[in-house]
Amino acid sequence: KAGVTQTPRYLIKTRGQQVTLSCSPISGHRSVSWYQQTPGQGLQFLFEYFSETQRNKGNFPGRFSGRQFSNSRSEMNVSTLELGDSALYLCASSLRGVVAGELFFGEGSRLTVL
Amino acid sequence: GNSVTQMEGPVTLSEEAFLTINCTYTATGYPSLFWYVQYPGEGLQLLLKATKADDKGSNKGFEATYRKETTSFHLEKGSVQVSDSAVYFCALRDNYGQNFVFGPGTRLSVLP
Repeated sequence: KAGVTQTPRYLIKTRGQQVTLSCSPISGHRSVSWYQQTPGQGLQFLFEYFSETQRNKGNFPGRFSGRQFSNSRSEMNVSTLELGDSALYLCASSLRGVVAGELFFGEGSRLTVL
Repeated sequence: GNSVTQMEGPVTLSEEAFLTINCTYTATGYPSLFWYVQYPGEGLQLLLKATKADDKGSNKGFEATYRKETTSFHLEKGSVQVSDSAVYFCALRDNYGQNFVFGPGTRLSVLP
């Protein structure tokens, strides 16, 4: 079956702009979680959505937001981009949620902020 | 809070050498423990897991044993291959409702 699909794979933005990233989970998975990966901070949890509700949130500013649609697809948005937002953003889906299930990751969206 | 510590590397080995990547954790309760692997240009893939003390996870020749007394989950492989070159992440999931916590990752390079 198809894996987790993230779009776009690469994008370049300038400071102050906003960006929206998309994630399509594995069919049947209702949980989608987002992570930011940087060389300095490693993998940091952003948030998790389950059945269109945000269930958990990491320690990121309000510029980072997300949502999940009825078909379980998820989007995350970053507003007023800063240079430090340059990172690989990884989406992971899970059948029963982060608490109970394994995570299946997409290939990520690499964001560069100039 | 929960945390995972692992050797950051990079680790460079010759083909067929023995591999150990150390991982220790701090967590409340009885977490589940995982090793994920990230090949160049790809997302993370689950390599193996253990859900309770003394469990041994194994896959593709890799093994790790959940040691509660030393709060460790070291990854081992008896004979590495060039294709094992990747970044390896140790992670825990607190079964009291927290999210996954990942270690910083260890980059492994295997030379022919």
